[in-house]
Amino acid sequence: NAGVTQTPKFQVLKTGQSMTLQCAQDMNHNSMYWYRQDPGMGLRLIYYSASEGTTDKGEVPNGYNVSRLNKREFSLRLESAAPSQTSVYFCASSIMGSNQPQHFGDGTRLSIL
Amino acid sequence: EDKVVQSPLSLVVHEGDTVTLNCSYEVTNFRSLLWYKQEKKAPTFLFMLTSSGIEKKSGRLSSILDKKELFSILNITATQTGDSAIYLCAVVNTGNQFYFGTGTSLTVIP
Repeated sequence: NAGVTQTPKFQVLKTGQSMTLQCAQDMNHNSMYWYRQDPGMGLRLIYYSASEGTTDKGEVPNGYNVSRLNKREFSLRLESAAPSQTSVYFCASSIMGSNQPQHFGDGTRLSIL
Repeated sequence: EDKVVQSPLSLVVHEGDTVTLNCSYEVTNFRSLLWYKQEKKAPTFLFMLTSSGIEKKSGRLSSILDKKELFSILNITATQTGDSAIYLCAVVNTGNQFYFGTGTSLTVIP
C-alpha cells in the first residue's frame, strides 16, 4: 500500500531558485493538504484542497503556490525560495466530510541556502 | 482565532513510568480531535475522539475527550523506549480543516 507519496525526500536550493514538491495519493481521498513543520512550531497548514478543482489558503501561504492537478496529485511550488522556507514539508490526504484521520507522506526535507 | 495547545512541550521519563499528555483547544465548529505519534518521519494516527467521556484504548495507550472543558488527555502506562516520539494533537472542524498543536516530545530513558 503506497498511501501518500512525496518527492523528493531531500532537496537543497539556493536563495531565489524555484522548486515544485510533488504529492500523490492512491486512497481515492478527495481532500489534500500541505504542511510545514519547524522546530517548536508544530504542523502549520500552507494550503489545502478540499476537493478536485479547489484550493484554499491555510495559516502560512505566503511564498507558495499549489496546483491540484487531479484527484490524486497536489503539488506545492516555491517560486523564489528564501532561507525562511527551510523546513520539513508534509503532504496529507483525507476523505472530505467523513470522520477519518489524515494520512501523511514521509515528508520532504528542504534546505535553502 | 482557532488554536490547539499542548502541554508539556517536552517530557523525559524512565521506562515503566506513566505519562499524561494534555491537549486543549479553541476551535469553532468542532468535529473531532485526533492524536498522532511522530517518530522520524510521517505522523501516524493513534486515536480519534468525537464524544465526551468515552475512553479510547489501544494497548498501553488511552485517551479521553471533554467537550465541555475543551481538552483531551493521552495516557501512556508502563512506558517503553519505543514510546519515545513527538505526540501531536489535532482538532478538525466541520469544514475538514485540521488544526495542530506544537506537539509534546516524549523521551523514555531505559
